[in-house]
Amino acid sequence: AQKVTQAQTEISVVEKEDVTLDCVYETRDTTYYLFWYKQPPSGELVFLIRRNSFDEQNEISGRYSWNFQKSTSSFNFTITASQVVDSAVYFCALRTISSGSARQLTFGSGTQLTVLP
Amino acid sequence: KAGVTQTPRYLIKTRGQQVTLSCSPISGHRSVSWYQQTPGQGLQFLFEYFSETQRNKGNFPGRFSGRQFSNSRSEMNVSTLELGDSALYLCASSLGLAVGELFFGEGSRLTVL
Repeated sequence: AQKVTQAQTEISVVEKEDVTLDCVYETRDTTYYLFWYKQPPSGELVFLIRRNSFDEQNEISGRYSWNFQKSTSSFNFTITASQVVDSAVYFCALRTISSGSARQLTFGSGTQLTVLP
Repeated sequence: KAGVTQTPRYLIKTRGQQVTLSCSPISGHRSVSWYQQTPGQGLQFLFEYFSETQRNKGNFPGRFSGRQFSNSRSEMNVSTLELGDSALYLCASSLGLAVGELFFGEGSRLTVL
């Protein structure tokens, strides 16, 4: 069975602070993909990043960075110099390429990030 | 290019009725998945379609069904609505099965009274 845990239900920061959203996953598959999505109040899930299990290189995209560590089964997301527009619910998700139900996206419960002006 | 389009965006139904939701994927995408989002259960997988065939199904009762057309557009149907079916229903499209990112629409928010 697959599982994604986002232990932080809500985080509140003041604008320009850095914030890290934690994600821990469980899977028996050796080949899998990890994702982060952002869900603003409009409801649409906005794709942020995909990482495959063979690529542990950290990635930076503007103010966003991701730290993937297979040894601890974690895929954490950091926003540097947060802005009010970053306020949203962020979901971490896992998908394997096995057949059947494992191909579905398994989502964490999400972290509500509020950035205060 | 146009994103994933879901219709209707909002709808209100009463218990016992049925509802049909529509999803038009990104042009060229052949796989469509459906997810249900509720405050209590979070995001849960409903089913996945590829080439007009259901390839994968989540743990939902038979009242939840879907189909995919030759142009990759998909519909999902919920019959005999229950109060607990109130949710945001999200459709996602991707190039193929387990290929690439899933791109989501804005969802259809269903309220059952």
